Amino acid sequence: SQQGEEDPQALSIQEGENATMNCSYKTSINNLQWYRQNSGRGLVHLILIRSNEREKHSGRLRVTLDTSKKSSSLLITASRAADTASYFCATDRGQGAQKLVFGQGTRLTINP
Amino acid sequence: DGGITQSPKYLFRKEGQNVTLSCEQNLNHDAMYWYRQDPGQGLRLIYYSQIVNDFQKGDIAEGYSVSREKKESFPLTVTSAQKNPTAFYLCASSIDWRADTQYFGPGTRLTVL
Repeated sequence: SQQGEEDPQALSIQEGENATMNCSYKTSINNLQWYRQNSGRGLVHLILIRSNEREKHSGRLRVTLDTSKKSSSLLITASRAADTASYFCATDRGQGAQKLVFGQGTRLTINP
Repeated sequence: DGGITQSPKYLFRKEGQNVTLSCEQNLNHDAMYWYRQDPGQGLRLIYYSQIVNDFQKGDIAEGYSVSREKKESFPLTVTSAQKNPTAFYLCASSIDWRADTQYFGPGTRLTVL
């Protein structure tokens, strides 16, 4: 079952602009993670935010979490061509890593 | 891809044949996972193993089987009972079953001819 739903499904912006993608989920969570997938490759972990945190930063990434709305957003600032990839949110269903549930992803294209 | 290898990268299979996908990790992780990804979709959990000699069904285990005889290896067999096996298969591992973060291999693309 899919818990996380990303929005938009696809996003195309110019290099240097900021990219924002959103994730909604349905049940209580302990944490929410964001992963990146380059075309035809495995996923790479980007950032994790716990349910008692509201905002977290890592380099050009900023993640927010609103547990009252069951939603999260990932902001990539000053985008680069190398940021072109699909981005997935993953929630733990409150049951630990073995029960991660991934959304359908946002396909981000950075145009030079 | 974080010390996890999957082979082969591309695999072709005739209908009615079983096929085994390899996953090996040198991260000394206890937990390992298999996911299936269809075009434009997220990942769905097939099987997971919290520790050697133990494994559990995920959300879509029908038509698949696994073994965990060694800590570093978690092969997935796609059997002829799997109705629509053409997909991208991803293996992942985590330090243990309580860990939050998973580390992924590069994937195997399986095509049924």
